[in-house]
Amino acid sequence: ETGVTQTPRHLVMGMTNKKSLKCEQHLGHNAMYWYKQSAKKPLELMFVYSLEERVENNSVPSRFSPECPNSSHLFLHLHTLQPEDSALYLCASSHGQGGTEAFFGQGTRLTVV
Amino acid sequence: SQQGEEDPQALSIQEGENATMNCSYKTSINNLQWYRQNSGRGLVHLILIRSNEREKHSGRLRVTLDTSKKSSSLLITASRAADTASYFCATDVSNFGNEKLTFGTGTRLTIIP
Repeated sequence: ETGVTQTPRHLVMGMTNKKSLKCEQHLGHNAMYWYKQSAKKPLELMFVYSLEERVENNSVPSRFSPECPNSSHLFLHLHTLQPEDSALYLCASSHGQGGTEAFFGQGTRLTVV
Repeated sequence: SQQGEEDPQALSIQEGENATMNCSYKTSINNLQWYRQNSGRGLVHLILIRSNEREKHSGRLRVTLDTSKKSSSLLITASRAADTASYFCATDVSNFGNEKLTFGTGTRLTIIP
């Protein structure tokens, strides 16, 4: 659809588990992003990667750990999450040159129990 | 802090009518973008308007931008049931390099057949 694929689409994990979210794009984009969408809140930008280097981290707790091994793949490693971390996690990519649109994946619906 | 704020939060109209959504923001921007999100899915880019533009059209969409009032509007003409979704404005304040999009909480649009 948009060219950005996220897996899994749904994830239920306990507070002591470790899991990873995956995002993949083959649009030739240089920048990739993680957003968190909670009910009745604006989308929160979590991390920005440009050419595989992290350029922004918006004060995200260390229980969220991003990884960008190459410009096409982005991961979000999760460990010892809290129930309030339950949300829709969205990955996006863009050309990264400013002034262009972002392409979003379908998101991973995360539930922490 | 939240940059874009949509108004109204929810809107229900009859199919065939026009739908207007507004967005207000706080700081200077390079461009403003509108996105659409179907329930629980990723965001899809609709239209981008640059800070030196006042109006832009794309199919049944018309976007206006008033930088003096720091506001934008999205008009969907001849609405269809398939237009039912949440609509978000996003402000881009990046000067160069990566897009830095800040989203509002969105307008939930329901088209009644």
